[in-house]
Amino acid sequence: GENVEQHPSTLSVQEGDSAVIKCTYSDSASNYFPWYKQELGKGPQLIIDIRSNVGEKKDQRIAVTLNKTAKHFSLHITETQPEDSAVYFCADLNDYKLSFGAGTTVTVRA
Amino acid sequence: DVKVTQSSRYLVKRTGEKVFLECVQDMDHENMFWYRQDPGLGLRLIYFSYDVKMKEKGDIPEGYSVSREKKERFSLILESASTNQTSMYLCASSLLEYGYTFGSGTRLTVV
Repeated sequence: GENVEQHPSTLSVQEGDSAVIKCTYSDSASNYFPWYKQELGKGPQLIIDIRSNVGEKKDQRIAVTLNKTAKHFSLHITETQPEDSAVYFCADLNDYKLSFGAGTTVTVRA
Repeated sequence: DVKVTQSSRYLVKRTGEKVFLECVQDMDHENMFWYRQDPGLGLRLIYFSYDVKMKEKGDIPEGYSVSREKKERFSLILESASTNQTSMYLCASSLLEYGYTFGSGTRLTVV
């Protein structure tokens, strides 16, 4: 997306290892940052989100951190499993619309 | 669960044809969106609508138009399809500014 940069574009990890995806945004007015997972043949599904008044949020093996000063946020997946293989998108809310990063293709090797 | 249904999974159309992509949501959401997804570019917003009869341009509206005659239905129209409009098209809806729900997508090929 125009306002969101996402890295890396591809990520290959050994099963059981951690995966980290990083995004930066440009508009300091952004206040909502969701992460979507897209499996083959399906639309993106929301997996976790964070609002600007929170620095970290965790849901089982998934966590998101937000650094408002540096304008970046990250997705952390621990103890990766084969079903974590997918394309992941970060996004930020700007003027009531979501702008998306370019996506990260995550492959978990058995 | 909110369901967003896109009428076609795959479409093949000829250059110059007028193409309609239909999207229906079943949870009385106010907001609906059309994105296109291309490798390396992520999801880019084409058009969106905050209410019936309302429409707003997104980041890449050229070559597209939309129609929202009923709250649950949001149609994307390619007035004269071109090969550079070959893409995956995703519809989404939301009640507030958070919590988008996406459809499964329509893969359009223009030949």
